[in-house]
Amino acid sequence: SQQGEEDPQALSIQEGENATMNCSYKTSINNLQWYRQNSGRGLVHLILIRSNEREKHSGRLRVTLDTSKKSSSLLITASRAADTASYFCATDLSQGNLIFGKGTKLSVKP
Amino acid sequence: GAVVSQHPSWVICKSGTSVKIECRSLDFQATTMFWYRQFPKQSLMLMATSNEGSKATYEQGVEKDKFLINHASLTLSTLTVTSAHPEDSSFYICSARGDWTGGYEQYFGPGTRLTVT
Repeated sequence: SQQGEEDPQALSIQEGENATMNCSYKTSINNLQWYRQNSGRGLVHLILIRSNEREKHSGRLRVTLDTSKKSSSLLITASRAADTASYFCATDLSQGNLIFGKGTKLSVKP
Repeated sequence: GAVVSQHPSWVICKSGTSVKIECRSLDFQATTMFWYRQFPKQSLMLMATSNEGSKATYEQGVEKDKFLINHASLTLSTLTVTSAHPEDSSFYICSARGDWTGGYEQYFGPGTRLTVT
């Protein structure tokens, strides 16, 4: 069964705006990862945040993790048209096996 | 680094035939490889996990006799869809994990789109 649920399912913004996607999960995790998927393509690993971390940055990406609420958020600042893609959170319960959420489809309009 | 390739990128086959999909780690040794399937506009569902030299571990509901997985070397895993049916049409994605990643990060192939007619 799926562990993560992303919110919103779809998000449409203008170039230059920030995009925030949320992910909620059900059970305790080892770490949580965010991936990007362009239409009909494989996944690209964006960022990993461990269960003992609360916030992590990578370029224009900022990820937060709240283990008490079992939720995470991905913020993309100053979005670009090239950021248009689906974004998935994936939880690693143990042993490195990932359970993916349903994804948020982001559309950035130029 | 950490590039994973899949072949073919797309395949069309007739119902009842078998199709083999290859997943290769090009610049690292993959101790573990994963196979996922993804239906249109849906998330990835893990089908099975394979470790080099041992039998694959299948997720609940995945028929191991239908989806044959072979992980014969540290750089190659294959998924064979046997006696394919139209409902097997899907996007199949593999990923690989190497020892150096600490067991956390997976590197994904570009996927294989299977259409069964």
